[in-house]
Amino acid sequence: GQSLEQPSEVTAVEGAIVQINCTYQTSGFYGLSWYQQHDGGAPTFLSYNALDGLEETGRFSSFLSRSDSYGYLLLQELQMKDSASYFCAPSGNTPLVFGKGTRLSVIA
Amino acid sequence: DAGITQSPRHKVTETGTPVTLRCHQTENHRYMYWYRQDPGHGLRLIHYSYGVKDTDKGEVSDGYSVSRSKTEDFLLTLESATSSQTSVYFCAISESTSGDLYEQYFGPGTRLTVT
Repeated sequence: GQSLEQPSEVTAVEGAIVQINCTYQTSGFYGLSWYQQHDGGAPTFLSYNALDGLEETGRFSSFLSRSDSYGYLLLQELQMKDSASYFCAPSGNTPLVFGKGTRLSVIA
Repeated sequence: DAGITQSPRHKVTETGTPVTLRCHQTENHRYMYWYRQDPGHGLRLIHYSYGVKDTDKGEVSDGYSVSRSKTEDFLLTLESATSSQTSVYFCAISESTSGDLYEQYFGPGTRLTVT
């Protein structure tokens, strides 16, 4: 089977840094994806880690540790528009399974 | 943006009626998916397709059927809609040369209400 753990909600201040953790158990693991979804919108692909370590894309970074079955998404210089839900999804040669996601609220 | 559309975007139907949702893509991607999204449950896979006429069940397939007669279209049918199927339905597509299906593109969603 497969399991995913993410915090359900996180609140952070505009301009700050926030980390959203993800732990997973899955078979046939290739890497870890992250998706963002604004209220009323569709999920959009953010980042992907196939190898251990940190991947940086602008203000967003994503980290993976295969040995710990753990990853995180790091958002820096938070902006109000970053308020959204964030989903981690372990990937492989089968369809992505998404967790319940983490709702991030950015406050002034 | 990936060329993926869903129709209808909103639908209200009565319990017991059949409903078909359509997903159309212009990307020629091999894989297509149907998810439903409900508060507190995140995104859950209903059915997916890995080619024309090739489909398989996801984790919440009961009460749903799918068909894919052309690469670009993936239909989701609720044979007899129930109130528990009130949800937002997302279609997604992906392609892979490595076998790793990590990047999916989602359609805008269909909000279905069963009364």
